[in-house]
Amino acid sequence: DSGVTQTPKHLITATGQRVTLRCSPRSGDLSVYWYQQSLDQGLQFLIQYYNGEERAKGNILERFSAQQFPDLHSELNLSSLELGDSALYFCASSVGGRGERNTGELFFGEGSRLTVL
Amino acid sequence: GEDVEQSLFLSVREGDSSVINCTYTDSSSTYLYWYKQEPGAGLQLLTYIFSNMDMKQDQRLTVLLNKKDKHLSLRIADTQTGDSAIYFCAESYQGGGNKLTFGTGTQLKVEL
Repeated sequence: DSGVTQTPKHLITATGQRVTLRCSPRSGDLSVYWYQQSLDQGLQFLIQYYNGEERAKGNILERFSAQQFPDLHSELNLSSLELGDSALYFCASSVGGRGERNTGELFFGEGSRLTVL
Repeated sequence: GEDVEQSLFLSVREGDSSVINCTYTDSSSTYLYWYKQEPGAGLQLLTYIFSNMDMKQDQRLTVLLNKKDKHLSLRIADTQTGDSAIYFCAESYQGGGNKLTFGTGTQLKVEL
């Protein structure tokens, strides 16, 4: 158990709909990352938050958005869903910041599998 | 930009050694990682190496880093059927707060 919790584990929805994926990081971790894993694209970095603020942005579509709340949990919002958005969405957390504790190791949740029909 | 490449498949016999290779492009990487993903599960960190090291050994795992060639390898000694999984190498991205760039993943199949 990595300590990172993601909900829901599975989600089936239709094209054009909107969904929200939720992530609770490990206790004490300030950074949250979202990754998308699909068969054709591999593991793609979407976005990172550190202590509530956006830190880095990757290949995230404009239809997608995320935020990190004061309690450090994060949500990834996917809207106007298309068939190609079907994938496994991972959240990961890390200590973040500077210091000896920060080896950059990411702890991954078990993922939310999104199927768009 | 960063790019991390791996071969897609590796098949070995139980008891043999497995060597999974990875090449990366970002010369400013500080840490390099090996993650394991079992079917239906998230990624689990196996080991990592700091960029000023050449080798790191941890039980059955040996990581070799050739920084000049930007080549990273993971050797699994006495490979077991439980080692069957997808193995990802990753590098840390210094410009964006520990964002990791992952390779394509190598599917390791261990045969009896």
